[in-house]
Amino acid sequence: AQSVTQLGSHVSVSEGALVLLRCNYSSSVPPYLFWYVQYPNQGLQLLLKYTTGATLVKGINGFEAEFKKSETSFHLTKPSAHMSDAAEYFCAVSGFNQAGTALIFGKGTTLSVSS
Amino acid sequence: DSGVTQTPKHLITATGQRVTLRCSPRSGDLSVYWYQQSLDQGLQFLIQYYNGEERAKGNILERFSAQQFPDLHSELNLSSLELGDSALYFCASSVGPSRFHEQFFGPGTRLTVL
Repeated sequence: AQSVTQLGSHVSVSEGALVLLRCNYSSSVPPYLFWYVQYPNQGLQLLLKYTTGATLVKGINGFEAEFKKSETSFHLTKPSAHMSDAAEYFCAVSGFNQAGTALIFGKGTTLSVSS
Repeated sequence: DSGVTQTPKHLITATGQRVTLRCSPRSGDLSVYWYQQSLDQGLQFLIQYYNGEERAKGNILERFSAQQFPDLHSELNLSSLELGDSALYFCASSVGPSRFHEQFFGPGTRLTVL
């Protein structure tokens, strides 16, 4: 079975500061991991994904994440926050077997950016 | 714009009623997923179809059903609605059924049950 835990339901940073959103996963098979962003009243947009290969994954809008198997983590970072980064962020793992290939999401982290 | 369309955008109805949500996948995508986003449960997988066949089931209630039609659009039917069914319902599509096929999400249908 797969599961995802996002530490911190709300993170606040100042514009220009480092963004760090934490995600830990549990998976009985090699995981496929994803970060999605949801802006108010919109659908989910894929930021980046890890399937196999390079453990440091670069995504859109300057975000990146590092897959650390030993720590079962896939934290999302951005060196310098923009006001436009304020949104809700979801970490997800791809399901397997009974859940088919559905995405299993964490509860989300709301990122606030202040000027 | 992901290319996945969902109608209607908003739906307001009463308890006990039945509604149908519609999803059109991206051109060329054969797999459709339905997810429910609520304050209580977060984002949960409901059901997946691939090329007209049910592929996997998640936490879908017996009062809910879905199907995928020959033209690949999908409908999610919710019946005997309860207040707790109020949520944002997302459809996603992918080219194939496996987990390395990226899922693209529609804008969602917001259901309010009064």
